[in-house]
Amino acid sequence: QVELQESGPRLVKPSETLSLTCSVSGDSISRYYWSWIRQPPGRGLECIGYIYYNGSTTYSPSLKSRLTISVDTSRNQFSLKLRSVTAADTAMYYCARIYSSRHKTFDVWGQGTMVSVSS
Amino acid sequence: DIQMTQSPSTLSASVGDRVTITCRASQSISGRLAWFQQKPGKAPKLLLYEASSLEIGVPSRFSGSESGTEFTLTINSLQPEDFAVYYCQQYDSYPAFGQGTKVEIK
Repeated sequence: QVELQESGPRLVKPSETLSLTCSVSGDSISRYYWSWIRQPPGRGLECIGYIYYNGSTTYSPSLKSRLTISVDTSRNQFSLKLRSVTAADTAMYYCARIYSSRHKTFDVWGQGTMVSVSS
Repeated sequence: DIQMTQSPSTLSASVGDRVTITCRASQSISGRLAWFQQKPGKAPKLLLYEASSLEIGVPSRFSGSESGTEFTLTINSLQPEDFAVYYCQQYDSYPAFGQGTKVEIK
């Protein structure tokens, strides 16, 4: 059974970098695409971006200039870095597995981690 | 960008009701649509993909259909555990979600 677990600081200061890691257990990271999705409090879902095990990335056009997603196959992990954060980046951040290259929807999710941007 | 318009935003229903949620795409998405259920404090759960394919383990009272750029999620005989927020998501281009529909107790 595949499980995903997000980790990282829950409080980030404005203008700093938000960094999260997703640890994958129960399956090899080298078989799928992997994604980050966020949800501001009381609002809807936004796909931040996704990565294939070979390092190929696709980013949200609105976040592309501030975003880096990377993968570490030796640790079965992938990571998110979002630079120059503001209060608008306060959200629940989820990591999720993408079902397949043909069906880029999200079939396995982490429990999510709430990240607040505040001084 | 492909825009997804989901309706209604809120739906009041009773246990046993048949409910329908609609998602309209701004252009053709070739059936590349998924539906999710999200309960408070939980991650979303995939219900259907490719408009009408039921994810493993999802009860058969959930079904999906497609007519052009309009997609429908139907829940037959609503159960107490079905009160939640439902989202559509297109994946024909960069993944994007609808605004969500809250199914609440009438």
